[in-house]
Amino acid sequence: EVQLVESGGGLVQPGGSLRLSCAASGFTFSSYWMTWVRQAPGKGLEWVANIRQDGSEKFFVDSVKGRFTISRDNARNSLSLQMNSLRAEDTALYYCARVWVGHCSGNDCYRALDFWGQGTMVTVSS
Amino acid sequence: DIQMTQSPTSLSASVGDRVTITCRASQSISVHLNWYQQKPGTAPNLLIYAASTLQSGVPSRFSGSGSGTDFTLTISSLQPEDFATYYCQQNYNTPPEWTFGQGTKVEIK
Repeated sequence: EVQLVESGGGLVQPGGSLRLSCAASGFTFSSYWMTWVRQAPGKGLEWVANIRQDGSEKFFVDSVKGRFTISRDNARNSLSLQMNSLRAEDTALYYCARVWVGHCSGNDCYRALDFWGQGTMVTVSS
Repeated sequence: DIQMTQSPTSLSASVGDRVTITCRASQSISVHLNWYQQKPGTAPNLLIYAASTLQSGVPSRFSGSGSGTDFTLTISSLQPEDFATYYCQQNYNTPPEWTFGQGTKVEIK
């Protein structure tokens, strides 16, 4: 059974740092891109960051570039999100999710987020 | 950046109704479009990928269509368990920088 379990959330002051973790099990973690998605209270979903299987490529939404870092440890089946210089607008429930390739047509592959964790809450407030 | 716009933002419907939600991309995304369902207090659940392919285990009353910039999610006969918020998501970009629509909340009439 695929499981993703996030941890590390909490209350932090503006300008502070927090490190989120996502423990993966039930699948070959090293074979999948992984992603972080967040959801502010009462708001919609916002993609935050992606990381390639081997960690060689990483992509971020503009609002977190230069402040957040995504990393992974394939030996430990673990995904991380290091969040620095936190702002009130970073307050959200943070989900990790698996990037699944549904199918490919030639070089065109169709990806989706097929498994999600339960989320970990980050609150940035003084 | 590709922007995704869903309509309506909310709707009220009755059990048995046919419900249609639309999603428009700010530029062509071929069929790189996914739909998710989210119930309160739970993580999103993948319903449809590649615009029209039903994810395994998802009831056949859900269907998706469209290509380019205009997409539709249809629930053919709304069931009590379908009251939720629905999101579209594009995954067209290279490099992969994805965006979600703002969501459509389906409520009980």
